[in-house]
Amino acid sequence: KAGVTQTPRYLIKTRGQQVTLSCSPISGHRSVSWYQQTPGQGLQFLFEYFSETQRNKGNFPGRFSGRQFSNSRSEMNVSTLELGDSALYLCASSWGDRDSNQPQHFGDGTRLSIL
Amino acid sequence: AQKITQTQPGMFVQEKEAVTLDCTYDTSDQSYGLFWYKQPSSGEMIFLIYQGSYDEQNATEGRYSLNFQKARKSANLVISASQLGDSAMYFCAMRVHGSSNTGKLIFGQGTTLQVKP
Repeated sequence: KAGVTQTPRYLIKTRGQQVTLSCSPISGHRSVSWYQQTPGQGLQFLFEYFSETQRNKGNFPGRFSGRQFSNSRSEMNVSTLELGDSALYLCASSWGDRDSNQPQHFGDGTRLSIL
Repeated sequence: AQKITQTQPGMFVQEKEAVTLDCTYDTSDQSYGLFWYKQPSSGEMIFLIYQGSYDEQNATEGRYSLNFQKARKSANLVISASQLGDSAMYFCAMRVHGSSNTGKLIFGQGTTLQVKP
């Protein structure tokens, strides 16, 4: 069974640009969550998508947005990039049952560097 | 407030010995799940073990076991017979059940484990 696939693995951008990251979940999983990982702030929840709808959102500015397609693949977009957006972005998929005990399964992440 | 605390930034263990990684959590909710993940230097997060708040037995998965003490709000990970490949960062995480918490894991700051040959 294929795992969670994130593309690209590495990205280098400059301040002010925008970027789109992609995540393909495990087949059958309908929930995709996104996280930002930095040395200073650790792992922080960005948002979760389920059946093409944003179901939950963390405390990030509106520059961070996402969407989910009918095949459950998800994209995350960051506009007007800032130096502080340099991070490892991880996506995770799960079945998405609201009170499920099923774990989230993570991709390898996209490492974004802002120059 | 919902919070996970891992007080050990770094740990060393001798190969083949057991090691305990500490995790305490804070939530006023009654229904939640606790998870442990392993993150090697390559970056991927690998799910290790899960414990539900209503589970009476401590979870075990191969060499991993979770020492769950609900009254103390602790969920320590025990790795038995450490191997060199266990060297990684370990994260404790919590998911509180309920519609306002869907898809959201709250992570601790992590513990770096180094296994010595």
